[in-house]
Amino acid sequence: GNSVTQMEGPVTLSEEAFLTINCTYTATGYPSLFWYVQYPGEGLQLLLKATKADDKGSNKGFEATYRKETTSFHLEKGSVQVSDSAVYFCALTNTGGFKTIFGAGTRLFVKA
Amino acid sequence: DAGITQSPRHKVTETGTPVTLRCHQTENHRYMYWYRQDPGHGLRLIHYSYGVKDTDKGEVSDGYSVSRSKTEDFLLTLESATSSQTSVYFCAISDYRQDSYEQYFGPGTRLTVT
Repeated sequence: GNSVTQMEGPVTLSEEAFLTINCTYTATGYPSLFWYVQYPGEGLQLLLKATKADDKGSNKGFEATYRKETTSFHLEKGSVQVSDSAVYFCALTNTGGFKTIFGAGTRLFVKA
Repeated sequence: DAGITQSPRHKVTETGTPVTLRCHQTENHRYMYWYRQDPGHGLRLIHYSYGVKDTDKGEVSDGYSVSRSKTEDFLLTLESATSSQTSVYFCAISDYRQDSYEQYFGPGTRLTVT
């Protein structure tokens, strides 16, 4: 079946540090891949996505590249800010599917 | 921001009482979902809808029912609330846009069953 595995948190970084949150997936077909972010007290919101292999999604300084050969979609940011403190969810929808499979979420704390 | 509202935003109720949560969208998206979010369990799908009067169960549907009589409204009912249903409930919507089914979430409803 389809599944998403992401690194456990919490991840604690100092401001301006480099961020990587690992995400790997299992899926048949050609899934679309997403990163969602949840700020405290809010619902999830789409951060970025990639719909085919080798695509790079980017938004707000965050990037992730769809790697079919390693079934991965790692989230990166070159210099984190305190305002990036949130929970990050990796997710996929499979070919022709409308249901989303979410990872467990990774909480990020950024210290000033 | 996608137009999704949830009501109520907070509710405290007693064990055994019925509770209905409402999700309303103004985006005319075909698909609607109810999730619950609990510490240590991530996001779990309760029920979903793929059209008016078309609904199906998710992974944690026991004790919940849903209805969708209009495109814009999706109701979640707890027939007889239990303490294990204390949670934060999120509604989401999606449709096929820009080559994918990205989801848009409401602000959540915090439900406490005492």
